[in-house]
Amino acid sequence: TQLLEQSPQFLSIQEGENLTVYCNSSSVFSSLQWYRQEPGEGPVLLVTVVTGGEVKKLKRLTFQFGDARKDSSLHITAAQPGDTGLYLCAGATGPDKLIFGTGTRLQVFP
Amino acid sequence: NAGVTQTPKFQVLKTGQSMTLQCAQDMNHEYMSWYRQDPGMGLRLIHYSVGAGITDQGEVPNGYNVSRSTTEDFPLRLLSAAPSQTSVYFCASSYSWRTGPGETQYFGPGTRLLVL
Repeated sequence: TQLLEQSPQFLSIQEGENLTVYCNSSSVFSSLQWYRQEPGEGPVLLVTVVTGGEVKKLKRLTFQFGDARKDSSLHITAAQPGDTGLYLCAGATGPDKLIFGTGTRLQVFP
Repeated sequence: NAGVTQTPKFQVLKTGQSMTLQCAQDMNHEYMSWYRQDPGMGLRLIHYSVGAGITDQGEVPNGYNVSRSTTEDFPLRLLSAAPSQTSVYFCASSYSWRTGPGETQYFGPGTRLLVL
């Protein structure tokens, strides 16, 4: 079974702080995605990274795919209460399967 | 477009009962899948389909059946519910699995199932 471990599992911070969430595996992925999920809803795609070493920015969110395509990170600058939610990474193990990470629950207090 | 819809939103079953979770999408997507979400375990793939008439097993298929008779619908059947199947179930779809890695998955709102 391929595993995607996320750390930390929980993160509670004040508005304005920076944070980084990590997604690690011993397996190589053809691509990696990050989703955000809010209570009572399904996950929503934030970004897809495909190339080893790739960095993508989405406003205050910066996503990086490891050079070996086994890990990824999500960095949030100046977190806001609207960033609160469950962040999930997901790795493509082939053309037809997506393996999800264990999730990081982020709470940003005003 | 309604996107991906799931019914029911909540369900309580007794051990041994059977039921079908409904999933439909109106985006003409080829690929559909079912996940279950449990605390601390992320989402785990139960079954998936790359097109009408084609289904395959994911990580945790035991106790579940699926069929894909139309492009739009992908129901998940629990044959004999067990307390271990208490979970939140999500259906997802994407345009195609053939277009390469990283196809966007669109998720439904989920079905919360409690098995007593």
